Amino acid sequence: GAVVSQHPSWVICKSGTSVKIECRSLDFQATTMFWYRQFPKQSLMLMATSNEGSKATYEQGVEKDKFLINHASLTLSTLTVTSAHPEDSSFYICSARDLREELDTGELFFGEGSRLTVL
Amino acid sequence: AQSVAQPEDQVNVAEGNPLTVKCTYSVSGNPYLFWYVQYPNRGLQFLLKYITGDNLVKGSYGFEAEFNKSQTSFHLKKPSALVSDSALYFCAVRARDLGGYNKLIFGAGTRLAVHP
Repeated sequence: GAVVSQHPSWVICKSGTSVKIECRSLDFQATTMFWYRQFPKQSLMLMATSNEGSKATYEQGVEKDKFLINHASLTLSTLTVTSAHPEDSSFYICSARDLREELDTGELFFGEGSRLTVL
Repeated sequence: AQSVAQPEDQVNVAEGNPLTVKCTYSVSGNPYLFWYVQYPNRGLQFLLKYITGDNLVKGSYGFEAEFNKSQTSFHLKKPSALVSDSALYFCAVRARDLGGYNKLIFGAGTRLAVHP
């Protein structure tokens, strides 16, 4: 099946620093990747849709200057949390859609998630 | 509005008993429905999906789900629960945003606890 790799799995940083999280589709190409944020014991909140070669589409209430998304190739999207603060601590999950999926069912393949802790 | 509802925050089941995790949806057009499972500090794993065809869908790890159009439901079921099934379960439905792109809308999640 389609595999999505996310790195790093865990990251701890000081307040004010920036952190980059990578999301890679390992055995398929993905023109579209999605970034979610999950708070403890809560559902996934879609942050933004990452489109290869174009600007990301952010959901309402998500600061695009705070959460920079770059989708430079068909297999890699990155999320950079700029000037991180403790309230940015969360579990970030990426997902990707297989470009080859003919039915366009919307099925997504998820990375393992990245837990960010800002001190 | 397009939405997914999982009415139960938590479901408790004894090992060996059947389990049901409920999901109802609201979407325009034909629904594409999914169940995902999440273990602690992990991403989501695909369990099963309904696109078209037989209303009873079989998926991974012995799970199945029944699509009921009249009740707009897609409940997840398993005949005999295992302790290892304890996890967080998400129901999702495909929705189109204003730009015409597909995205998944997730329910709030239901925590399944299977007791020995």
